[in-house]
Amino acid sequence: ETGVTQSPTHLIKTRGQQVTLRCSSQSGHNTVSWYQQALGQGPQFIFQYYREEENGRGNFPPRFSGLQFPNYSSELNVNALELDDSALYLCASSYDSGTATDTQYFGPGTRLTVL
Amino acid sequence: TQLLEQSPQFLSIQEGENLTVYCNSSSVFSSLQWYRQEPGEGPVLLVTVVTGGEVKKLKRLTFQFGDARKDSSLHITAAQPGDTGLYLCAGAGDRDDKIIFGKGTRLHILP
Repeated sequence: ETGVTQSPTHLIKTRGQQVTLRCSSQSGHNTVSWYQQALGQGPQFIFQYYREEENGRGNFPPRFSGLQFPNYSSELNVNALELDDSALYLCASSYDSGTATDTQYFGPGTRLTVL
Repeated sequence: TQLLEQSPQFLSIQEGENLTVYCNSSSVFSSLQWYRQEPGEGPVLLVTVVTGGEVKKLKRLTFQFGDARKDSSLHITAAQPGDTGLYLCAGAGDRDDKIIFGKGTRLHILP
């Protein structure tokens, strides 16, 4: 139990639709990262938010966007869904102490299926 | 682009055997982490190694960071069915602390 929760657990959408995934971080964690994990692959970094501002982005198009709120919750929004967006979406929260060894605590993920 | 390659991709062995999985890169990492992920769950951190040549032990699991901080290994002694899962290595780059994951080694321990 990491104290990080995600909703919904599963979601089915069709191509072209928009989706919002939610994450509730551990209390006190000022950083949240989002990852996409395709079947049989490792997680791929989408972006990170630190104190409600984007703090780094992976190789994902602008239709992937996010928000972080002061109450330790965050959102991942994906517009114009494509079939290849089908994956497990993971959020991970951490406290950024300025080192590279901060521990990330992952949520259980949201399984998104795009038809 | 920093990449982490894990080998083997799949490993199925009998309970009680020993095994080693590898994580290799041509890039230097400031730290490297090993995670274990079970179906329907997010990855759970097992260990973080920071210093080149560092060895850490967690019960039957031994983790080593290469001297040049480009590679790492995970050795499991006397594997048990409870060790079954997806083992992921993840590196934090020298230039920033964004985490890059390998594709993972799927381990299955047969009772």
